[in-house]
Amino acid sequence: EAGVAQSPRYKIIEKRQSVAFWCNPISGHATLYWYQQILGQGPKLLIQFQNNGVVDDSQLPKDRFSAERLKGVDSTLKIQPAKLEDSAVYLCASSPPPNRASEAFFGQGTRLTVV
Amino acid sequence: AQSVAQPEDQVNVAEGNPLTVKCTYSVSGNPYLFWYVQYPNRGLQFLLKYITGDNLVKGSYGFEAEFNKSQTSFHLKKPSALVSDSALYFCAVKYGRSGGSYIPTFGRGTSLIVHP
Repeated sequence: EAGVAQSPRYKIIEKRQSVAFWCNPISGHATLYWYQQILGQGPKLLIQFQNNGVVDDSQLPKDRFSAERLKGVDSTLKIQPAKLEDSAVYLCASSPPPNRASEAFFGQGTRLTVV
Repeated sequence: AQSVAQPEDQVNVAEGNPLTVKCTYSVSGNPYLFWYVQYPNRGLQFLLKYITGDNLVKGSYGFEAEFNKSQTSFHLKKPSALVSDSALYFCAVKYGRSGGSYIPTFGRGTSLIVHP
């Protein structure tokens, strides 16, 4: 079974530039998560999708971050404009139904460095 | 507020000795509890979970965890540590919100170092 695919693996941008991350979840997984993991901290949930609907985006900085999952499969996370404090690893994960009791399967992440 | 605490930033143990990585939680209702492991330059991997039933759950790589409702804890354990167990361990909890959705929250992680 193929795992969660993320790209790119690494990205370096200057502050105020924009960047986009892509995620393809495991086939059949209705729930998709984007997390931000800053060095030395646990993953922080940015947004949770159930199919193509948003379940929770309460911690997403909506003035600069956006995410979509148009067809209920793959997803993109965008940052525009980036700030220095956005430097982190961005993790995508997916879960099979039923969501409440299911563990998440994580991709390898995208390491973003903002300079 | 819903939260997960991992009180130890680092746990050191000698190979062959038992290990414990602590986790406590503060959520309303009945949460679902998980442990994940993160090896260097790798994504998080699921170890085990508690949903309901037996308080002692067994997972991958010989790990187990004990759910204690009265102490709101879910400590990760292994009877005999291996050097290859050295990694970052994360406790996570899913709690229900109005509307029926379940939102995951992670602890800050504990670095486990197993010495030869």
